[in-house]
Amino acid sequence: DQQVKQNSPSLSVQEGRISILNCDYTNSMFDYFLWYKKYPAEGPTFLISISSIKDKNEDGRFTVFLNKSAKHLSLHIVPSQPGDSAVYFCAASASNYGQNFVFGPGTRLSVLP
Amino acid sequence: DTGVSQDPRHKITKRGQNVTFRCDPISEHNRLYWYRQTLGQGPEFLTYFQNEAQLEKSRLLSDRFSAERPKGSFSTLEIQRTEQGDSAMYLCASSERNGRANSPLHFGNGTRLTVT
Repeated sequence: DQQVKQNSPSLSVQEGRISILNCDYTNSMFDYFLWYKKYPAEGPTFLISISSIKDKNEDGRFTVFLNKSAKHLSLHIVPSQPGDSAVYFCAASASNYGQNFVFGPGTRLSVLP
Repeated sequence: DTGVSQDPRHKITKRGQNVTFRCDPISEHNRLYWYRQTLGQGPEFLTYFQNEAQLEKSRLLSDRFSAERPKGSFSTLEIQRTEQGDSAMYLCASSERNGRANSPLHFGNGTRLTVT
């Protein structure tokens, strides 16, 4: 049973445009959400997080939106750059139920010059 | 500032052999995690330590797997009697405790295990 889902395996976007990556979760106990970026042969790199008490968090070109009622979050990257091409993972944890972070299967983003 | 360090980066072993991986977390982090990642999947949780105490283990962690963090610093993950299904990237991550607030995981570059 996949608790964190990323239904788009891949996404292609033109340089300078907005990239929107989506993530859905099923466990209503999740209260902390993160996005990671992964290049080949490297470990995942933390990008941005959001607590369930917020619905938006912004850091430079990256913004994460959380819709708790829909159990949905999204990562917006604007403007997209070729260096953003990577696999993006959504992750979630339930702080009162252990410290296990559950990851989605990832979305491969390609930013075309 | 050094990040999470894992050794070796690659390991090729024959089925039935034992292997051991090492992880050195970020020095001020007291939480250490092991994850496993296979092609096309996200990282899957294996186990986690707070200081030297192993506080949580996944059902994925069969009795052939054992992890230790003897002095609350570095950690080792041992796989006994390896099977071809153990072939994967083994990722270590650390995080700092911050009261009740969550802290993000910081990953190493992983150890890629190939069992032939």
